[in-house]
Amino acid sequence: EIVMTQSPATLSVSPGERATLSCRASESVSSNLAWYQHKPGQAPRLLIYGASTRATSIPARFSGSGSGTEFTLTISSLQAEDFALYYCQQYNKWPLFTFGPGTKVDIK
Amino acid sequence: QVQLQESGPGLLKPSDTLSLTCTVSGYSISNNNWWGWMRQPPGKGLEWIGYIRYSGSTTYNPSLESRVTMSVDTSKNQFSLRLYSVTAVDTAMYYCARKEPGNWFDPWGQGTLVTVSS
Repeated sequence: EIVMTQSPATLSVSPGERATLSCRASESVSSNLAWYQHKPGQAPRLLIYGASTRATSIPARFSGSGSGTEFTLTISSLQAEDFALYYCQQYNKWPLFTFGPGTKVDIK
Repeated sequence: QVQLQESGPGLLKPSDTLSLTCTVSGYSISNNNWWGWMRQPPGKGLEWIGYIRYSGSTTYNPSLESRVTMSVDTSKNQFSLRLYSVTAVDTAMYYCARKEPGNWFDPWGQGTLVTVSS
């Protein structure tokens, strides 16, 4: 099983600042990585797939990068609605898709 | 707009059978997608349970395979999950989602909490 790790566990950021979230895979997943945003009581929301492609209707302040085992989600200027949990998911090996434990972005 | 909604009992006793249904609106479940169930125990990460196609083809997480059955009802645009002989470790938020051909999940349901307690 490919193990996904995310860092930091919690990221405290002020509105308007940049947030950088990291995701690491225990073995190469090529670019087969997605990022999701999850707010309490809501459905998880797809942000990024293919490591760097924004999903439909996702604002340009969200960007993804990386390949292989190291990935980054960057939120260029945090808005109030961006404070949430963020998960990465690898989908390199059907059907053994795995998720990271998440990074919580909260208000500094 | 495609929407998914989980439904089912929120409280079970040990040895009960967990039964959840995911109702899909705004999209035909008979289209060329797999449909998945995931869960997240309190304080832990997301875990995939299994996937099903409209044809009834299934793939289950090996760690749960002996206790899981999924089914699809195209007439109701729903798919379902059954998890047998539940214990406290099956306490979790359960989510359904559509798997895109590229293997990411979009959209998801908002989840339903299932608690197993005597």
